[in-house]
Amino acid sequence: NAGVTQTPKFQVLKTGQSMTLQCAQDMNHEYMSWYRQDPGMGLRLIHYSVGAGITDQGEVPNGYNVSRSTTEDFPLRLLSAAPSQTSVYFCASRSWTGAFGELFFGEGSRLTVL
Amino acid sequence: AQSVTQLGSHVSVSEGALVLLRCNYSSSVPPYLFWYVQYPNQGLQLLLKYTSAATLVKGINGFEAEFKKSETSFHLTKPSAHMSDAAEYFCAVSDTDKLIFGTGTRLQVFP
Repeated sequence: NAGVTQTPKFQVLKTGQSMTLQCAQDMNHEYMSWYRQDPGMGLRLIHYSVGAGITDQGEVPNGYNVSRSTTEDFPLRLLSAAPSQTSVYFCASRSWTGAFGELFFGEGSRLTVL
Repeated sequence: AQSVTQLGSHVSVSEGALVLLRCNYSSSVPPYLFWYVQYPNQGLQLLLKYTSAATLVKGINGFEAEFKKSETSFHLTKPSAHMSDAAEYFCAVSDTDKLIFGTGTRLQVFP
């Protein structure tokens, strides 16, 4: 059982380049989300989705796009990378059991923007 | 909006000593509260959660937390620290569809 799988694990970009962080889960979870983790700031929610075809913004959505065409996949797109987007990104999912359900996290994607 | 505040970004204890990690919440409605742990170079995993069934919540690895409404607190404790408890710990509160995390507390355990 793979759980939540993120690719790539490491990426270096130049300012202005675009890229997509991939996230896939095999637990048939309706809810998926993206967080970024920065020192001293904890985890901040970027975007989330409560099901295929539905996405919404979190606390820090600027500079990021998402889509949810299938239940399994929730890619995060950076259209024009900036140094401020240097961070560790985590994808997380849970079943739609309400707001008290457990979030399952991927192992993270470390992004550096030069 | 719901929020949590974790007091102390770093906590150091000796092996066998009491672990106390502090979390205070701000919520206009009865909250759902969580503690997650992150080991180096890994994602987060759930330690325990409070969903109003009982004020004292027991989690994995000997951790527990007590919900105190009068103090708006949900502090995490463990009677005796182990070297393997060294990690970063995050308190979180559920805000409708979103899980809002605190800034984290890094626990160091010395032999």
